[in-house]
Amino acid sequence: GAGVSQSPRYKVAKRGQDVALRCDPISGHVSLFWYQQALGQGPEFLTYFQNEAQLDKSGLPSDRFFAERPEGSVSTLKIQRTQQEDSAVYLCASSLGIRGGDEQYFGPGTRLTVT
Amino acid sequence: GIQVEQSPPDLILQEGANSTLRCNFSDSVNNLQWFHQNPWGQLINLFYIPSGTKQNGRLSATTVATERYSLLYISSSQTTDSGVYFCAVEGPGDMRFGAGTRLTVKP
Repeated sequence: GAGVSQSPRYKVAKRGQDVALRCDPISGHVSLFWYQQALGQGPEFLTYFQNEAQLDKSGLPSDRFFAERPEGSVSTLKIQRTQQEDSAVYLCASSLGIRGGDEQYFGPGTRLTVT
Repeated sequence: GIQVEQSPPDLILQEGANSTLRCNFSDSVNNLQWFHQNPWGQLINLFYIPSGTKQNGRLSATTVATERYSLLYISSSQTTDSGVYFCAVEGPGDMRFGAGTRLTVKP
């Protein structure tokens, strides 16, 4: 079985551009998470989906960040009007059950560089 | 939110040596995972261990939930063990990661 996949793996954006990052979770996984990892630090939580419902978006750093999972499988993280401080690796994870009850599996990440 | 502290921050070993990595957390947790982040950035699941002891080959882990710590043991280390090891805990809210232990194994 395939693991979590993310695309693109690398993205360079000019400041002010909009970007969209895609996550394909493990098939059948109910929960999907997005994290942001700055250089030299551990990942930090951004948002959580249970199926198609976004139940927690407390970690999104600003209203420029938006995530969706319309059919309860693939998810997209969108960043509008990118800024240099948005440069980071964006990680997606999925788990079989609901939040807190199961192991999370991570994708390879998308490295975003804003110039 | 829950605070997670990992020690040591950096560790350099000679191939074949053993090591112990520690993770302290500040509150009760429902979930604790250990990950290895390889040089390409992939987070690889090592253990899902909210309590008790598990072993997988040269690696083992123990979590003492009542005392709020977990230990990761690496025996007979190999150069491929190099990378950053993260402890992550999940309480009633989101999953929180420690700052990691950067392990370098020299041949």
